[in-house]
Amino acid sequence: EAGVVQSPRYKIIEKKQPVAFWCNPISGHNTLYWYLQNLGQGPELLIRYENEEAVDDSQLPKDRFSAERLKGVDSTLKIQPAELGDSAVYLCASSSPTRWNQQFFGPGTRLTVL
Amino acid sequence: GQQLNQSPQSMFIQEGEDVSMNCTSSSIFNTWLWYKQDPGEGPVLLIALYKAGELTSNGRLTAQFGITRKDSFLNISASIPSDVGIYFCAGQGSGNTPLVFGKGTRLSVIA
Repeated sequence: EAGVVQSPRYKIIEKKQPVAFWCNPISGHNTLYWYLQNLGQGPELLIRYENEEAVDDSQLPKDRFSAERLKGVDSTLKIQPAELGDSAVYLCASSSPTRWNQQFFGPGTRLTVL
Repeated sequence: GQQLNQSPQSMFIQEGEDVSMNCTSSSIFNTWLWYKQDPGEGPVLLIALYKAGELTSNGRLTAQFGITRKDSFLNISASIPSDVGIYFCAGQGSGNTPLVFGKGTRLSVIA
């Protein structure tokens, strides 16, 4: 069974530029999560989707961050414009309807904003 | 955001030694999870705990859900070089509430 797929793995951009990250969850997992992981910290939830509905986006900085999960499978997280403080690892995770409290993570996208 | 208190922050041990780490919270959790993260990778789920007092093993790893529901412990027996990495605890309250992660314990194993 394939795991959570994320791309790109690494991204370097200049501040004020836009950037987008893509995630493909494990097949059959209807819940998808985007996390932010700063250096030396644990992951922090940005947004959670149940199918195509964003059910928890309270921690998503909506002035510059947006996300979508059209068709309830793949998801894209966007930052526009990026700021220096956005440099971090962006992790995607998914869980199944029967084991919703076991989240499986992708490898992450490491973003560097110069 | 809220995070758990995880200790120790880092540890250096000799290969073959046993390892213990723990996680505490001011809040009660219904689920405790332990993850391991290798450099450049996402966290990998090691053990999931669902009941207070529960003791669960996965190979050389053993984790316990504290009786108070505010803490959890992870033990690794007979450490080997591939145990190197960062171990995160995560707690979850009732329902599908967000996971709260600790800051991690960085484990180094000296051969």
